[in-house]
This record gives sequence, structure tokens and C-alpha cells, in this order.
Amino acid sequence: AQSVAQPEDQVNVAEGNPLTVKCTYSVSGNPYLFWYVQYPNRGLQFLLKYITGDNLVKGSYGFEAEFNKSQTSFHLKKPSALVSDSALYFCAVRGSGSARQLTFGSGTQLTVLP
Amino acid sequence: SQTIHQWPATLVQPVGSPLSLECTVEGTSNPNLYWYRQAAGRGLQLLFYSVGIGQISSEVPQNLSASRPQDRQFILSSKKLLLSDSGFYLCAWSTGTGADQPQHFGDGTRLSIL
Repeated sequence: AQSVAQPEDQVNVAEGNPLTVKCTYSVSGNPYLFWYVQYPNRGLQFLLKYITGDNLVKGSYGFEAEFNKSQTSFHLKKPSALVSDSALYFCAVRGSGSARQLTFGSGTQLTVLP
Repeated sequence: SQTIHQWPATLVQPVGSPLSLECTVEGTSNPNLYWYRQAAGRGLQLLFYSVGIGQISSEVPQNLSASRPQDRQFILSSKKLLLSDSGFYLCAWSTGTGADQPQHFGDGTRLSIL
């Protein structure tokens, strides 16, 4: 079975400060990891993914994520937060042996304070 | 480019009434299609997925059903809605069968049962 944990329901950060949204996973085989963002009353938007290669993955809107195999983590980061980054963020994982189902975390509400 | 459409955006239905939510994808062929339910703005629950016309897999037993009458059309239905069916319903698609492919989401239907 595969699982994702987002240990923080809420993260608050001041505008201009770096932000981190945490994610840990458990999966059989090689992990395929994804980050999504959801704005109110909208669907999820794909931000970035890790498949293989460099542990630091760059994605949309200045976001990046760091894959750490030993800690089974895939934390989302941004060097300088914007108020417009305030949204709900989801981490998701799929094992290399499962072609269809993504397992999503419970989500982390990010609030960037002006 | 590929696009995904869901309608209606919002729906208010009485208990016991039928339901039909529609999702269509444009700009791709033979997509994998998914229906999710999101409760209280948080975690996503996979309800159904489809890898081809007429091929439906159910993840959770319930009074909902799904159909795929055409390659890029996915329909979520119920004969009699329950109060517990209230929620935010999201359709998603992905290409092929590769585990490294992200899912792309529509903007959802907010369903309220009275």
C-alpha cells in the first residue's frame, strides 16, 4: 500500500520569506511524486513532479521540491513567498508498480501574510 | 493543448433525486479518466477510473456509478442521491499508462443535497 503524509494542516509565512510545505511518503518500488495547488472552488493544478534524476525539481510559479530518498520526503519550497501563493497544497505519490492510482495527502493550507 | 470541462459548476439537488455530472476532455486521445470526491475542502477520494471506453473501475462501493460512452467523455451518475453525497466532485485525466504521468483536473462540481 502507498501513503502520503502532510504533517501540517496550516502553514503561515510572511510575504518575501521562504516557504516550505512538508510531505513524506511510503510506497513500494520507486516513487513518482507530485505537487498540486488548489485555489478556492477550483480544481487541482499540477505544479511539479519527481520521477528520477536530480533531487531538486523545479516547477511552475517559482516552486521547487526536494526529494530525499533516505528520509522518504518530498518537501515543496519557494525562496520568496507571495500573497498570491496562498492556497491549498497537495502532495501525491504513485509507486512504479501502480500505473493508475495516485494517493494524495490530506492537504496543507498555506497562508502568506502581507 | 488539452483541456478538461466539467459541468455544471454547482448543483443543488433534493435527497432521492437522480444525478448526472459530465466531464469531457479535448486535445488528447484515449486518456485515463478519473472521478474524485473532495469533502470539506481537503482530502481527495478516488471514486472511479477508466482506461478506455466502457471500462470502469470502482474504488469505493456506494450509490454512485460511472460510465464512459465515448473516448473523452466520463459521466458520474446516481439513481437516488443521499445527504452524504454532498461534496466537491472533480474529474481528471492523464495520458497513457505510465506511472510518471500527472493527472490534470477540471474545475469541479459543487454538489449540495437538501
